[in-house]
Amino acid sequence: TQLLEQSPQFLSIQEGENLTVYCNSSSVFSSLQWYRQEPGEGPVLLVTVVTGGEVKKLKRLTFQFGDARKDSSLHITAAQPGDTGLYLCAGVLTSGTYKYIFGTGTRLKVLA
Amino acid sequence: GAGVSQSPSNKVTEKGKDVELRCDPISGHTALYWYRQSLGQGLEFLIYFQGNSAPDKSGLPSDRFSAERTGGSVSTLTIQRTQQEDSAVYLCASSPVSSGNTIYFGEGSWLTVV
Repeated sequence: TQLLEQSPQFLSIQEGENLTVYCNSSSVFSSLQWYRQEPGEGPVLLVTVVTGGEVKKLKRLTFQFGDARKDSSLHITAAQPGDTGLYLCAGVLTSGTYKYIFGTGTRLKVLA
Repeated sequence: GAGVSQSPSNKVTEKGKDVELRCDPISGHTALYWYRQSLGQGLEFLIYFQGNSAPDKSGLPSDRFSAERTGGSVSTLTIQRTQQEDSAVYLCASSPVSSGNTIYFGEGSWLTVV
C-alpha cells in the first residue's frame, strides 16, 4: 500500500507553461517535504511544510500543505528546462516516526 | 565531510555473489537511512539507524539484506546471494535528529546484478 500518491506520474510541457503536481494521502503527516532528483544524483530538498494550510514560495515554485495535512501541491510558474527532473514528496507521520515516506514521484520534462 | 558519501558509486556483480555498500553520513548526524530506488521510481524505505541501533528493520526486503552502523558514523548495507531483482540505486541519507528534520541524501550506489 502506497501511503503517498503523486500525480501525474509523467509530465512533458513546453517552456513557459505552468504546471501543478499533487501529493495525496489518507494519512496525516506532521511535516511534508518536496525533493527534486536529477539523473545520477540523490534527491535534493526543495522545501519543508509543517503547518496545515501553509504556503511557501521558492522563486517560481509554490508549495502548499493541505489544511488537514494529508495532501500537498507543487505549482511551477513559467517552467524552464532547468526544472526538468523527478519530483518527490516525502512525509513524516503524525505519530512522530522517523520513517520518511516517499511518494511515487512525478517525472517532469520541460522542452525548450 | 561536507555531504553524505557513498561507495561504490557503481557496482556490477554476478547473481549469487555478496555485495557491500558503504555510507559515510554527514559528521554529527545521528540518524542514518537506507532507501532503495528502482529505475525512475520513488524511494523504498529499507532501514533506519539512530546512533548504532536500528529500531526499524521492517523495510529490508528479505533476510539476504542486512545493515550495520559502527561508531555512530559509517554504515554498511550487505546483500547476500544477490538476485537480479536487487538491481537498483541504493540511497543513503542522514539527518541531525530522528524525525521532522531535513534529511540529506548521498548520490547513491548503482547496483546491477547480471
